[in-house]
Amino acid sequence: TQLLEQSPQFLSIQEGENLTVYCNSSSVFSSLQWYRQEPGEGPVLLVTVVTGGEVKKLKRLTFQFGDARKDSSLHITAAQPGDTGLYLCAGARGNTDKLIFGTGTRLQVFP
Amino acid sequence: GAVVSQHPSWVICKSGTSVKIECRSLDFQATTMFWYRQFPKQSLMLMATSNEGSKATYEQGVEKDKFLINHASLTLSTLTVTSAHPEDSSFYICSARGGRGLDGYTFGSGTRLTVV
Repeated sequence: TQLLEQSPQFLSIQEGENLTVYCNSSSVFSSLQWYRQEPGEGPVLLVTVVTGGEVKKLKRLTFQFGDARKDSSLHITAAQPGDTGLYLCAGARGNTDKLIFGTGTRLQVFP
Repeated sequence: GAVVSQHPSWVICKSGTSVKIECRSLDFQATTMFWYRQFPKQSLMLMATSNEGSKATYEQGVEKDKFLINHASLTLSTLTVTSAHPEDSSFYICSARGGRGLDGYTFGSGTRLTVV
């Protein structure tokens, strides 16, 4: 059973559209991170959210941590082909620093 | 910034042979390193946690005798896939934790293992 479920699993959109990716869990996380991974490479950290209800913005990307720290979302405004990739949420629980990854969302943005 | 070097980036080996993958933290000391496996079009699955100077902790379902992990120094962890079989073919990624807080996970660039 995957602790972190992401939806949608796949997303294919046109350049300029907006999209939201969700990361849900029944467990509480002390923090959640979002990564983007290109084929054949390791994941690259986008953001870390720590406080319940926290919202962070990174240019066209907006990240939100749920009030109960069980879920998170990533919203991309005006998607561009360069946003194409695998988006992964990841969390560490309690007193462990093991980073557990979500199921992943594969995004493709067409020009 | 923190850099983790992973080698080799790809390897092809014959079934039954062993393959060693190295993960080095180049500019920081990594108290903890993690090994992940990623199958095509899937997410990263944690295999084991290695701590310098102690035995690795394996996740449920991961064979410790097949995936040998050695964390001999604060900058080097190795994963050896013993008696590799085609089903071990995967993308292996390491991550190092340098104690820099919540953002302190740095990932290697991965190793593509193909067993023929």
